[in-house]
Amino acid sequence: DAKTTQPPSMDCAEGRAANLPCNHSTISGNEYVYWYRQIHSQGPQYIIHGLKNNETNEMASLIITEDRKSSTLILPHATLRDTAVYYCIVRPRNLNTNAGKSTFGDGTTLTVKP
Amino acid sequence: KAGVTQTPRYLIKTRGQQVTLSCSPISGHRSVSWYQQTPGQGLQFLFEYFSETQRNKGNFPGRFSGRQFSNSRSEMNVSTLELGDSALYLCASSLEGQYYEQYFGPGTRLTVT
Repeated sequence: DAKTTQPPSMDCAEGRAANLPCNHSTISGNEYVYWYRQIHSQGPQYIIHGLKNNETNEMASLIITEDRKSSTLILPHATLRDTAVYYCIVRPRNLNTNAGKSTFGDGTTLTVKP
Repeated sequence: KAGVTQTPRYLIKTRGQQVTLSCSPISGHRSVSWYQQTPGQGLQFLFEYFSETQRNKGNFPGRFSGRQFSNSRSEMNVSTLELGDSALYLCASSLEGQYYEQYFGPGTRLTVT
């Protein structure tokens, strides 16, 4: 799986947009970008994923650069409950013999402040 | 739809003992993956089961094993426990053929003394 690089920590003011970057310069053509988050002492939660087009759901937006070497997760109106560790992962589409070995990396600790 | 459930939520064992953790995936999900999370190593992949077969395995010693039943429920076993096995063990389920969209359980907190 492609390696990702994320800043270790970020702060965001409550109500403002949180933009979390992720670099994945070695991403392969069949690899998707996935985002998860983990709130303290809970299991990770799936947020969103994309291949090359920008994606949006009820939780967040995912912006992927045209060369697919980086992406940004956007939480449009961050709340205190969005404080969590955010993980960016790049993976092939389907779990197969060669795909199921990755870890989640260190992620970005986002702190939303009042 | 009910989420992923894990039992027990908390467990205290002593070195040398063995432990079995259980995971019930979301109904209809056939893939179950197990992860170990520690403060020093982060979230580490243990293994994945699909239709009762281990499909992928991480870099953990043979003391860590698992199985999946015909109803997709999965168990993970750790034998001869070591202090370093103290961790949060997470289970995640997903649909066959779906994008890597995994739904995690709350985890089992294992403490080895």
